[in-house]
Order: sequence, then structure tokens, then C-alpha cells
Amino acid sequence: EAQVTQNPRYLITVTGKKLTVTCSQNMNHEYMSWYRQDPGLGLRQIYYSMNVEVTDKGDVPEGYKVSRKEKRNFPLILESPSPNQTSLYFCASSLDIRRSGANVLTFGAGSRLTVL
Amino acid sequence: AQSVTQLDSQVPVFEEAPVELRCNYSSSVSVYLFWYVQYPNQGLQLLLKYLSGSTLVKGINGFEAEFNKSQTSFHLRKPSVHISDTAEYFCAVRPSNDYKLSFGAGTTVTVRA
Repeated sequence: EAQVTQNPRYLITVTGKKLTVTCSQNMNHEYMSWYRQDPGLGLRQIYYSMNVEVTDKGDVPEGYKVSRKEKRNFPLILESPSPNQTSLYFCASSLDIRRSGANVLTFGAGSRLTVL
Repeated sequence: AQSVTQLDSQVPVFEEAPVELRCNYSSSVSVYLFWYVQYPNQGLQLLLKYLSGSTLVKGINGFEAEFNKSQTSFHLRKPSVHISDTAEYFCAVRPSNDYKLSFGAGTTVTVRA
């Protein structure tokens, strides 16, 4: 089944304790992206990647890191989490949006993170 | 830069009644437009998209949307809703010359019997 898999789905952590949210897709998609969803703000892009070893900042990259060493994986790293990073996070992927105007993203099920 | 405004944050509606969710956008270039739906405790999935051509776009689950270039709108409609349509709906826009997909703040639709 074609899908984007995120882990963990739920996590409660404390301020300053490094964590990684993993994202993996099995569709051979070039483009991957991380979003955070907050009430009343919709989805805001954190980072995106056009392909292996190519990443760039979205609208709200502060406090986050990413890497794209393999095509299928795009982990989100919080080096020193803070309470304002409490949110619902989504990973998404699609075919190269430069080739296809459709840019139809496939989303993961979400990871709910609470930072105390 | 483009922006998206969803004009209603919450829309309560009775089962079998029609519903319309309003979306306006701003962009200095031509755009691609999307509606995504998020069911409770799930990720987002595509309802429909407008790339070019006919301004009336039909999607899954009986939804349709109309692109109005002069009013820069892309409103979503369904003539008769079901309880299962209870969800959050997001309008999204991408300029034709850019990679960035921007989302609106979302509209929560609650369908009551």
C-alpha cells in the first residue's frame, strides 16, 4: 500500500530533550515536506526537500532540523524542544513538483508532540 | 507571495442539507488550487484540484468546487451532506511558478442528524 509512515504517533517529552520524528514513504517520491498544524493557523511548512541531499526552509524552520540521506526517509529533528513546539506534525510527499503541476501531496497520519 | 483565506472557521450543518465552504486567495501569478479534507485523527487527503480548464471541478464524495478568477475564489460545495462528512477542510494554493503550497486556516464542518 502506498503510504507515508510517521513515528511516533504520540510523544510527550520535556524541554531540552532531543527527539526525532521519523518519516518514510514507499512511493519513490522526490519531494518531501514537514508541516505543523496549530488551531486557527492551518498547516505551516517547516522544511522541505526536493530530492536526496537537497533541503530548504519553509515558513517556520526555527528550532528544527532535517536531513535527506535517502530518498524514502525525511526525519524531523528537534535538538532542544521547547513548549512552543507542542503541535501536530505532518510529513507529506509527492512526485517532483517541477515536473507535475498537480503537486498532490500524500500525507502521513500525523505525530502529536507535547513538550512540557 | 500568495495567501489563502478561509472565511468560516466553523460550519454546523444538518444531515442532507447543502454546505458551502468559502475560500479566497491572493496571488500575483496564476495558481493551482486544492481542497484537502482531514477526518478526525487522520492525515489530510485530497478532495479535488483545479489546474486549468473547466472552472467547475468535481471531486470525491460528491464534493465540487468552482474557480472564479475575477473574485479570486475557490468555494467548495456539496448538495447534501452526510454525518461522515464531519471533518476539517483545508483550501490550498500553489503559484504556477513556485514550489510552495500554502494552506488556509481550515474550516471545521460538523454534520448533525
